[in-house]
Amino acid sequence: AQSVSQHNHHVILSEAASLELGCNYSYGGTVNLFWYVQYPGQHLQLLLKYFSGDPLVKGIKGFEAEFIKSKFSFNLRKPSVQWSDTAEYFCAVNSDNQGGKLIFGQGTELSVKP
Amino acid sequence: AAGVIQSPRHLIKEKRETATLKCYPIPRHDTVYWYQQGPGQDPQFLISFYEKMQSDKGSIPDRFSAQQFSDYHSELNMSSLELGDSALYFCASSPRLAGGKDTQYFGPGTRLTVL
Repeated sequence: AQSVSQHNHHVILSEAASLELGCNYSYGGTVNLFWYVQYPGQHLQLLLKYFSGDPLVKGIKGFEAEFIKSKFSFNLRKPSVQWSDTAEYFCAVNSDNQGGKLIFGQGTELSVKP
Repeated sequence: AAGVIQSPRHLIKEKRETATLKCYPIPRHDTVYWYQQGPGQDPQFLISFYEKMQSDKGSIPDRFSAQQFSDYHSELNMSSLELGDSALYFCASSPRLAGGKDTQYFGPGTRLTVL
């Protein structure tokens, strides 16, 4: 069965610090990978996604993620975080032969101190 | 731009009561997904529909049922509610069931509290 693991449950950073959130998945076949963000009191929004091609994917708001197939990882990065990046971040995976349902990681709560 | 609409946004029920959650997808989206997010947990897939037919089923209790109507909106019906059903219920829509590559757009969720 597919599973997604996010290692950091709560990350606290100061503004302008660099961010890297870890995500590992378990699945033997071809997967599609996503990062969603949930700002306080709001719904899940897509940050970026990877299907194929260049393993370095750029998303909105300066976020990027790198797919490393050999490590089954899809880590999220941002060079310089802002207070407005305070939110919960979810890594998710699905596969083309399983109907599109998303399997989410446990989420990482990011707190950015001004 | 139009987003996914869910109603009601908040719902309080007693144990053993029933609840109906509604989801209105983005126009021209024919695929709907339902997810349940318990307190401090990640969203868990419940069920999905494509062109008014159930396309996949996850960890949805037998007490729950859902359907998609001719206008593509979907309803999640929950009976014999239990305390453990208290959660945030998300609906997501996508333009077509293309194996998973289409972005799922999430609604604001319905927060169900069972007392």
